Order: sequence, then C-alpha cells, then structure tokens
Amino acid sequence: DAGVTQSPTHLIKTRGQQVTLRCSPKSGHDTVSWYQQALGQGPQFIFQYYEEEERQRGNFPDRFSGHQFPNYSSELNVNALLLGDSALYLCASSFGTSGVNEQFFGPGTRLTVL
Amino acid sequence: DAKTTQPNSMESNEEEPVHLPCNHSTISGTDYIHWYRQLPSQGPEYVIHGLTSNVNNRMASLAIAEDRKSSTLILHRATLRDAAVYYCILRDEYNFNKFYFGSGTKLNVKP
Repeated sequence: DAGVTQSPTHLIKTRGQQVTLRCSPKSGHDTVSWYQQALGQGPQFIFQYYEEEERQRGNFPDRFSGHQFPNYSSELNVNALLLGDSALYLCASSFGTSGVNEQFFGPGTRLTVL
Repeated sequence: DAKTTQPNSMESNEEEPVHLPCNHSTISGTDYIHWYRQLPSQGPEYVIHGLTSNVNNRMASLAIAEDRKSSTLILHRATLRDAAVYYCILRDEYNFNKFYFGSGTKLNVKP
C-alpha cells in the first residue's frame, strides 16, 4: 500500500502565477482534504472533496480551488499567487466524510512564492 | 469553533513516560478528542482519539477528564522517534469544518 502520495515535492513560483498540486489517496479511501501549513504553524483546513464535489471549506479565498477525479485523486489549484501562499500543502485521505474518521496525510508539497 | 490549548513545548528523557496535556474548556457534546503528531519533514499522523472514556492503543493512551474539559496523551516509554509536534484536536462527527489543529506541543526527547 503506497499510502497518500503528493506531487511535486517542491515547487517555486513567482507572484501572480498559478499552481496545481496533485494528490493520490490511500487505497480504499474516497475522501480527500487539503491543508495549508505555514512555517511553525499547525495545518489549516482548506477544503474537502467527496464524490467529486467540494463538501466543506475553510476560511480560504476563491483563489484556492480544487477538483476530485473519478479515481478519487485530487488537485489543488491556486491562482494569482501571493507571497503569503508560501507554505507546505498537505493532502489527507479518509474513508467517508465523518470528522471522526482517521485521516492519513501525505508528505506534502513545499510551495515557495518569490 | 471549540479550540484547544496546549503547552508550546515539553521535554522528556528516553525510556520515561510522557504526559502531554490539552485543555478544551468549550468542548461540545458531539466533539471527539483526537491526537495527531507530526515528525520533522513529514505529514501529521494519527495517534489516538476518544469521546468520553479513556482509550489505549499500541502507540499511546488517552485520559479524558470526567467533565471532558481537558485530556492527556500518555506515551508510556518515550523513544527518540517520539520527538515530534503533538496536536490535540476537537473533531465534530458531522461538521468537518471544525477541524482545528492549533500550534501543538513540540516534544523533545533526550537520550
């Protein structure tokens, strides 16, 4: 079992650009959630995808959008990048949408915005 | 949203027990208490969770106060591999958006 995988590992972009991050959930999981983790802080919930729809959303602007594919993999898109978007972006998968279910996290994508 | 309060850092000696406290005075009846930890350069990993009763698993024990306003994660014998940031999180079964990590407790384990 490969667990949750994310690509790329690292990414450098400039202000105003757009970025797409990818996530493959753990085998058997159907729900993907995305988090942003700034340096020295805990992860902040961005949104959750289930059955190819956004089900829950945290306090993030519309510049952050996502997609879930029929195979349950997911993408996180960020438009009009700001310096403050520099962070570790974590993907987590689980079975079902309940807040009680254990989440499995990937290693993250480190995004640097210059 | 119900939030948690944890000490910024704690230190332990290897092979000794560690008690990591967490206060959650505004916890609601449907909130589960979860603990995750994040090792350096890794994503968070699940440790344990509970609702009202104390819980044990192969990694740790969770002691929950009778009024549920606080809890303690217990590592019975700390190892160097347990050095990580430990997050105490309240999670509502129905409202996923209440998932709030906070800053966690950084545990340092001395050999």
